[in-house]
Amino acid sequence: ETGVTQTPRHLVMGMTNKKSLKCEQHLGHNAMYWYKQSAKKPLELMFVYNFKEQTENNSVPSRFSPECPNSSHLFLHLHTLQPEDSALYLCASSQVSQWVQDSGNTIYFGEGSWLTVV
Amino acid sequence: GQNIDQPTEMTATEGAIVQINCTYQTSGFNGLFWYQQHAGEAPTFLSYNVLDGLEEKGRFSSFLSRSKGYSYLLLKELQMKDSASYLCAVRGNTDKLIFGTGTRLQVFP
Repeated sequence: ETGVTQTPRHLVMGMTNKKSLKCEQHLGHNAMYWYKQSAKKPLELMFVYNFKEQTENNSVPSRFSPECPNSSHLFLHLHTLQPEDSALYLCASSQVSQWVQDSGNTIYFGEGSWLTVV
Repeated sequence: GQNIDQPTEMTATEGAIVQINCTYQTSGFNGLFWYQQHAGEAPTFLSYNVLDGLEEKGRFSSFLSRSKGYSYLLLKELQMKDSASYLCAVRGNTDKLIFGTGTRLQVFP
């Protein structure tokens, strides 16, 4: 139990489908993230929400659309994806503090959602 | 550019000691993190270094040299359950965490 839960854990979707990934954090953190993990590549930051406001969009294609209704929930809406979008999508949260050196704003990850686009 | 380098794979024997190195080149530095990730699972936080030196946590230790852009994760008394990928990540000036590709460690009996 990491304190960050993601659903669904596995998702298979066609290229014309619309689906959503859901993330919930139970850690009382004020920042949430979406990362993409592909085989043999580093974790790629996709989106950052700080106090529910999007502060980072790391040049992600518009077929990925994030939504953060409150500080403990985060969604990733998926539409007309491509097979190369198949990957593990990780949600994470952290407590952003001005005293960054105390804990480094450590990021805690959820278990991930395995996405396969067919 | 920003770059994190770590070996792709390492092997070791149960009970041994293994050192996983990480070198980095980033715009600014606000801390270095090590994560452990078992296959099919979430990365879990292991350690955080922001000042030079060694941080020890049980069987795991992490070292940082900011002047050399270098860190290592030291795992002692290896156990089979330590077989996993170990991710090095650096927080630069932009506050984003930049990850390396990870080192896959296999521990053999």
